[in-house]
Amino acid sequence: ETGVTQTPRHLVMGMTNKKSLKCEQHLGHNAMYWYKQSAKKPLELMFVYSLEERVENNSVPSRFSPECPNSSHLFLHLHTLQPEDSALYLCASSHADQETQYFGPGTRLLVL
Amino acid sequence: GENVEQHPSTLSVQEGDSAVIKCTYSDSASNYFPWYKQELGKGPQLIIDIRSNVGEKKDQRIAVTLNKTAKHFSLHITETQPEDSAVYFCAASKTGTASKLTFGTGTRLQVTL
Repeated sequence: ETGVTQTPRHLVMGMTNKKSLKCEQHLGHNAMYWYKQSAKKPLELMFVYSLEERVENNSVPSRFSPECPNSSHLFLHLHTLQPEDSALYLCASSHADQETQYFGPGTRLLVL
Repeated sequence: GENVEQHPSTLSVQEGDSAVIKCTYSDSASNYFPWYKQELGKGPQLIIDIRSNVGEKKDQRIAVTLNKTAKHFSLHITETQPEDSAVYFCAASKTGTASKLTFGTGTRLQVTL
């Protein structure tokens, strides 16, 4: 276990649904990240929060909405997704002034 | 921005043999290079990393080498075991606040008996 947990582990949703992914870290970190992992593509950084402020938004469609209420929790709110959004969504955390990131197990999302 | 290329995409070795995975990067300002191992159904796990002030780092059966001039770095696994079978990712970033890692496309390593 890396100290980063994600729920749910699997999610199936229709294109009109609204759902949220949750990430929690128990490592005392103060930076958190969302990545998208699709088959045969590099991990794509979506959002970065450092000290609870969003510092990176990699041109992600507005149907993905992150929220970081405190340094231990990170959410990704999903609405009106497309089938091409089906992927493994990974959360990671780190100290804000250090490079090493620790990943959670991911949420496998299928959009029908 | 940074671009990381990784080769090969798949690698099959016999148990006990060595495995080498290579990555190149484009941004000469990158100075932190981690390697992650991802097993089926799990997130990537950091296995070793290297910073640009050293050329080689070793941890038991795993070693990483870095050539800053050529902008490439490699992962070496010796005496491979079946439990080494996984997907391996290299990455590169600059040090600093909430660093932005750029990942390679991954290498699927299969260790056969």
